[in-house]
Amino acid sequence: NAGVTQTPKFQVLKTGQSMTLQCAQDMNHNSMYWYRQDPGMGLRLIYYSASEGTTDKGEVPNGYNVSRLNKREFSLRLESAAPSQTSVYFCASSEASRQETQYFGPGTRLLVL
Amino acid sequence: GEDVEQSLFLSVREGDSSVINCTYTDSSSTYLYWYKQEPGAGLQLLTYIFSNMDMKQDQRLTVLLNKKDKHLSLRIADTQTGDSAIYFCAESMDTGGFKTIFGAGTRLFVKA
Repeated sequence: NAGVTQTPKFQVLKTGQSMTLQCAQDMNHNSMYWYRQDPGMGLRLIYYSASEGTTDKGEVPNGYNVSRLNKREFSLRLESAAPSQTSVYFCASSEASRQETQYFGPGTRLLVL
Repeated sequence: GEDVEQSLFLSVREGDSSVINCTYTDSSSTYLYWYKQEPGAGLQLLTYIFSNMDMKQDQRLTVLLNKKDKHLSLRIADTQTGDSAIYFCAESMDTGGFKTIFGAGTRLFVKA
């Protein structure tokens, strides 16, 4: 039982390049989330998927797209990376029950030059 | 709007108690959480409290909730150097679906 896994762990991009961050969970959770973490700003929700087949914007969706490929996998795509997207990205999942503990992956550290 | 606020830093000596405070704005919170983030890792749930409770104790951790003042605290007794981490307060709300808002995190430094 690996929990929530993310790939890659680190990535350096040039401005304008694209990339996809992968996330998978093996806990049979309904909901999945993508956050970014910046110093002094805590976690900000980019997109979430309440259940397979649905996705919704969070607080900071601009510049990102997501795909809920199946119940296990939720990917985050940067179509044209910008330096402002330099951050640490966390994927999380939850059962979407009333007591909504979220389980986090180890994070992807992204640097956009 | 919804907001969760925490102070950014706390420094304590090893063996002392640490108290990390949090205030939130939404009165429709159902659960409140404390997560811990160690360097280079994701967040892990430490403990949570249901919004109709005042206190929850779990070994060295004590959570106090003052619903009237919308104030949540986490007390760590006998703080150890291994407790050095960032602690996030979070609240979840029943908004038709469930929504969780995280604070900015409090970085706890434990001096030996």
